[in-house]
Amino acid sequence: DAGVIQSPRHEVTEMGQEVTLRCKPISGHNSLFWYRQTMMRGLELLIYFNNNVPIDDSGMPEDRFSAKMPNASFSTLKIQPSEPRDSAVYFCASGGTISAFGSGTRLTVV
Amino acid sequence: KQEVTQIPAALSVPEGENLVLNCSFTDSAIYNLQWFRQDPGKGLTSLLLIQSSQREQTSGRLNASLDKSSGRSTLYIAASQPGDSATYLCAVETDSWGKLQFGAGTQVVVTP
Repeated sequence: DAGVIQSPRHEVTEMGQEVTLRCKPISGHNSLFWYRQTMMRGLELLIYFNNNVPIDDSGMPEDRFSAKMPNASFSTLKIQPSEPRDSAVYFCASGGTISAFGSGTRLTVV
Repeated sequence: KQEVTQIPAALSVPEGENLVLNCSFTDSAIYNLQWFRQDPGKGLTSLLLIQSSQREQTSGRLNASLDKSSGRSTLYIAASQPGDSATYLCAVETDSWGKLQFGAGTQVVVTP
């Protein structure tokens, strides 16, 4: 198994643009999580799904953030419009007994 | 609200010494506790998972203990090596779906 796959690895965008981050979880894992990591706040949970259904989105910072999981093998996290304070590393993780993390997407909004 | 604290924030030891990393959490109603390793610019790698009913878990040179009643876990790394240099994160699982609450991490440097 290739593990959790995230794309792109790096994204640089201008303020106001739409950003879409993608994640392919490990096959057979029922839960999928989106985390954000910054120096100031560490790792924060944004939203998570179970069997493709959103369970808790209370960590989503603003309405500019949205996430979808149209099927068991794909999820997206969208920021529209993006702002410089959204700059962070965004991780996707999928869970069986142990959570497996992707390599992350480093987002820079200038 | 669950809070997870890791002490110290940074640690530097000479090669061969044992490492002791501490994690505390405020709410003892946890499902599991995991220790992760993060290398610079990389994702997280799970090292050990301790279920809430367990007291400790071992893997090679790594040993993690859990005292749920006092809200503490300790990660021991025996005979440290330069390759152990990384940030170590503690996370408690707070619901049955696998939701994790992370500490801020301990940055470890092992000098040759």
